[in-house]
Amino acid sequence: QQQVKQSPQSLIVQKGGISIINCAYENTAFDYFPWYQQFPGKGPALLIAIRPDVSEKKEGRFTISFNKSAKQFSLHIMDSQPGDSATYFCAATPNQAGTALIFGKGTTLSVSS
Amino acid sequence: SQTIHQWPATLVQPVGSPLSLECTVEGTSNPNLYWYRQAAGRGLQLLFYSVGIGQISSEVPQNLSASRPQDRQFILSSKKLLLSDSGFYLCAWEDRDGLGPQHFGDGTRLSIL
Repeated sequence: QQQVKQSPQSLIVQKGGISIINCAYENTAFDYFPWYQQFPGKGPALLIAIRPDVSEKKEGRFTISFNKSAKQFSLHIMDSQPGDSATYFCAATPNQAGTALIFGKGTTLSVSS
Repeated sequence: SQTIHQWPATLVQPVGSPLSLECTVEGTSNPNLYWYRQAAGRGLQLLFYSVGIGQISSEVPQNLSASRPQDRQFILSSKKLLLSDSGFYLCAWEDRDGLGPQHFGDGTRLSIL
C-alpha cells in the first residue's frame, strides 16, 4: 500500500512532441504528489507538485493531471525539448513532518532532435 | 535562499573501512532532514530522517547510522562498509511543518571496492 507505481520505465519522444508519464498509488492517506526531475550525477529537483483538491496544475510546459477516484496522476510535458531529457520521478506522501516521500521507480525520457 | 550541500561528491572506499558523509543546509532553521539511497532502476529509498538535533529515526536496518549534531548538519556513517553499501546517497531537507516539498542535495556517489 506504500508503493507508487510509475510507467513507462523509458520514453523516447520527438522534439516538439508530448511526453506523458503515469503514476498510480494505493494509500488514500497520501495528499501531496510532487514530480522530480533528475539529471545524471545530480540530485532530484522539484519540478511541479499537486494536492488532491485540484485535478490539474500547470506550470509552463509541465502539467500534472490528478484523478483522485482512480488514485492516478500523470505528468505531461508539452513541446518536449532535448533539454528535457532526464529521469523523472513521481512521488507521494501524507505530507507530515518526518514522513518520507514514496518514490516511483523513475522514467528515463529521451527527447530526440 | 536555502541551499543544501553534500560532500564529498564521489568516494571510493575499500570494504571494511569507515564512512562519513556530511550534509549541511543553509538559509533555514529547524529543518527536517533525510538521507536516501538511490539504486539504479529502484527509485529512492529512505534510510534515516531527523526532526531535530539528536533525533534520528531509522527506516531500514542496515550497516549505516546517522547523526544530527547541529540543527542544520546531518551525517551518515558506517563503522565497516560492505560491498552492498555502494550507491548514490542523497540528503534532503524540508520545512519543519512537513507541509512542503523536500529539496535534495547533489548526492555522493559511493563505490566500495
